[in-house]
Amino acid sequence: GAGVSQSPSNKVTEKGKDVELRCDPISGHTALYWYRQSLGQGLEFLIYFQGNSAPDKSGLPSDRFSAERTGGSVSTLTIQRTQQEDSAVYLCASSYVLSGTGELFFGEGSRLTVL
Amino acid sequence: ILNVEQSPQSLHVQEGDSTNFTCSFPSSNFYALHWYRWETAKSPEALFVMTLNGDEKKKGRISATLNTKEGYSYLYIKGSQPEDSATYLCALDQTGANNLFFGTGTRLTVIP
Repeated sequence: GAGVSQSPSNKVTEKGKDVELRCDPISGHTALYWYRQSLGQGLEFLIYFQGNSAPDKSGLPSDRFSAERTGGSVSTLTIQRTQQEDSAVYLCASSYVLSGTGELFFGEGSRLTVL
Repeated sequence: ILNVEQSPQSLHVQEGDSTNFTCSFPSSNFYALHWYRWETAKSPEALFVMTLNGDEKKKGRISATLNTKEGYSYLYIKGSQPEDSATYLCALDQTGANNLFFGTGTRLTVIP
């Protein structure tokens, strides 16, 4: 597709379950980013990938969060043993080069609700 | 945690009015300042990426300025239209790696 695609768009899960969120970036974009927005908060940086490697994982909130990217393309964000505070909109973005002058192209997000 | 602040938090203006909002950020370790527009039920869309002190950028009726020495950027909308209604986000990149620190945004509502 032409844009960044995320799935699922909405996910409701029970506390303690694992969830997996998927991001399909724009073809050819080497850099991929995950952000989240909790209710009433700003966008919070989670992790970024350059190719398949993640140089900076410091934004991941806890060790229940992990992310991977394979083939320099699709990325998955996995949250294990979900908690209610994980409820948020998870946004993925990609850019052509890992550069501060490159704009990010965002997907429409995955809204996660943990009951 | 970086303090990227935006003001006002929300704003209502009449169609045709011009408006502006502010993004302030730490002036040390600056690499780039991004502005995005986020309409409800859509994805954030880039407006500007600015890197140099004194930068001014314009896209149609929207323009932005940057002062890296004092740590602020202004976004201006001339002759607001209802379709300008959105949340406007600024974001700071300190390292060039694009791990952006976002403000909480200014929510603009343009009343027809």
